[in-house]
Amino acid sequence: DTEVTQTPKHLVMGMTNKKSLKCEQHMGHRAMYWYKQKAKKPPELMFVYSYEKLSINESVPSRFSPECPNSSLLNLHLHALQPEDSALYLCASSQGSSGRAGDNEQFFGPGTRLTVL
Amino acid sequence: AQKVTQAQTEISVVEKEDVTLDCVYETRDTTYYLFWYKQPPSGELVFLIRRNSFDEQNEISGRYSWNFQKSTSSFNFTITASQVVDSAVYFCALSGVVTGGGNKLTFGTGTQLKVEL
Repeated sequence: DTEVTQTPKHLVMGMTNKKSLKCEQHMGHRAMYWYKQKAKKPPELMFVYSYEKLSINESVPSRFSPECPNSSLLNLHLHALQPEDSALYLCASSQGSSGRAGDNEQFFGPGTRLTVL
Repeated sequence: AQKVTQAQTEISVVEKEDVTLDCVYETRDTTYYLFWYKQPPSGELVFLIRRNSFDEQNEISGRYSWNFQKSTSSFNFTITASQVVDSAVYFCALSGVVTGGGNKLTFGTGTQLKVEL
């Protein structure tokens, strides 16, 4: 089963709202990722969790707050977003262990299309 | 620093034509991994293939084939007898050795493939 699920599929929020994006995988992967993708652009890495610990933060503004409650779940908490934060937010997972050639591919979820009004 | 260049922004072909998507990469790593992902209009990135830097064997999977040439730092993707369902944005990506903290993908800018009847 190479499935990563994300909820919700679409989200519209105001600049004063607080919302959360959720991601789940049951492939036993130990690395999980959040990406942001604007239209006609490649995905941009935001955060990486490895073994439930934040290992990479690509200088993302604090209005985005990631959380990894357990090895299968990844959340992205949103607060006081700006209209320019409107984008497709993609979650991905990979095996995450060191050095093994077969561990590298990341499997992506369908994404959450976020609109900030 | 790593870099991936997909010089073709958009390609249009007629169904049943063969089409090649170009990917050129730059890296100082001696061990690295190359990937191709497909992103249909629905948004989900679909993993297609991983190629390790130490394995230059080309690969064929159905109508898809990949040509990896270290000498020219290229990892090109050919679709034979294209179909309308192949219409999507295709991303080439590069990562270094996984350190246990997850791997960072460097994406190219993507090539929009349109297959028309």
